[in-house]
Amino acid sequence: EVQLVESGGGLVQPGGSLRLSCAASGFTFSNYWMHWVRQAPGKGLVWVSRINRDGSSTNNADSVKGRFTISRDNAKNTVHLQMNSLRVEDTAVYYCTREYGDSVLPMDVWGQGTTVTVSS
Amino acid sequence: EIVLTQSPDFQSVTPKEKVTITCRASQYIGSSLHWYQQKPDQSPKLLIKYASQSFSGVPSRFSGSGSGTDFTLTISSLEAEDAATYYCHQSRSLPLTFGQGTRLEIK
Repeated sequence: EVQLVESGGGLVQPGGSLRLSCAASGFTFSNYWMHWVRQAPGKGLVWVSRINRDGSSTNNADSVKGRFTISRDNAKNTVHLQMNSLRVEDTAVYYCTREYGDSVLPMDVWGQGTTVTVSS
Repeated sequence: EIVLTQSPDFQSVTPKEKVTITCRASQYIGSSLHWYQQKPDQSPKLLIKYASQSFSGVPSRFSGSGSGTDFTLTISSLEAEDAATYYCHQSRSLPLTFGQGTRLEIK
């Protein structure tokens, strides 16, 4: 079964850090680009970050540039999101998703999400 | 940044009714437009890829059309299980963006 399972969410104070992880199974992880997408409470979907197949290229939304870093470990089938200098507005459910790329398949599998709450 | 504007924001519909949701892009995106369904407390699910291609396992009552800047998601005969929020999403250029969502309520 193709599956993405996020972990690492929690309550953190403004200015703090968290590291999210996403464990992939059921497919050839190294064939896929990986993304993080977030959803603030009661709001819509917002793309956060992506990483290419071998981890050599990453892109981030302007709202997280310089604060969030995406990385992957193809040997362990995991992708991470290191979140520093967290702000109240970063409070959201964070979803891990995969994309085949090359205009073949958009984000087709999503994890269940992990909740990040930034509050004092 | 490519802005996607969906209409309507909310619609209350009866079962078996035909539903049409539109998504307009602020600039040309070709066919790089996809549709997702999100039910309460669930993660989004891909319905339609590249404007009109049905994703595997999606019921045939869901279809998509359009290209360029104007796109449509159609549910031919609404079922109770289709109560959800629907999002369009463009993968033409970074930053990747989503529409604001259309919430469908079943009467």
